[in-house]
Amino acid sequence: RKEVEQDPGPFNVPEGATVAFNCTYSNSASQSFFWYRQDCRKEPKLLMSVYSSGNEDGRFTAQLNRASQYISLLIRDSKLSDSATYLCVVDTGFQKLVFGTGTRLLVSP
Amino acid sequence: DGGITQSPKYLFRKEGQNVTLSCEQNLNHDAMYWYRQDPGQGLRLIYYSQIVNDFQKGDIAEGYSVSREKKESFPLTVTSAQKNPTAFYLCASSPNRGAGETYEQYFGPGTRLTVT
Repeated sequence: RKEVEQDPGPFNVPEGATVAFNCTYSNSASQSFFWYRQDCRKEPKLLMSVYSSGNEDGRFTAQLNRASQYISLLIRDSKLSDSATYLCVVDTGFQKLVFGTGTRLLVSP
Repeated sequence: DGGITQSPKYLFRKEGQNVTLSCEQNLNHDAMYWYRQDPGQGLRLIYYSQIVNDFQKGDIAEGYSVSREKKESFPLTVTSAQKNPTAFYLCASSPNRGAGETYEQYFGPGTRLTVT
């Protein structure tokens, strides 16, 4: 089983839609969780950290479910500029992170 | 401006040559990392360093070497022993505030290496 698994997509949504991605992780001891965004041929950029209580940043909401070992990202009111690949990232301990292969989002006019 | 710089952005080499990729950060971060990314694949950890003069192998260290003589710098050498060196190489740093917690990583713009 992969350490971090994501649906590769692509998710095709119209502008203004709400879209959600899930990600599962295998290490029950993981403590740190993040969502990164990666544009084509660019470096990953931190979108948000994911806390046990969940967190929201504008149109983006992240949730953690430790019992089922998954994290989610919800994007409301999608913009064209949200088109990117979203990487689920989980710690393996010892200051190391493991990156999922990403979920591709395409927002169309 | 604080950040991570990598140079060059594109690099072309002939097979059999060693090549060194530069990574510099002025974020005062203790930890630094090197990853490679291949099309359709996730990031894979090559080497990482949590403190100056110390570094550890990641998941795919064979054919690579690093040094960490200064806090700000973590160069990666791709040796001729690396069988498939063509890839997108990403350097990252992390605050590493201790207490056993793993913190977010910040990435440089990457170097695209092509070996023919």
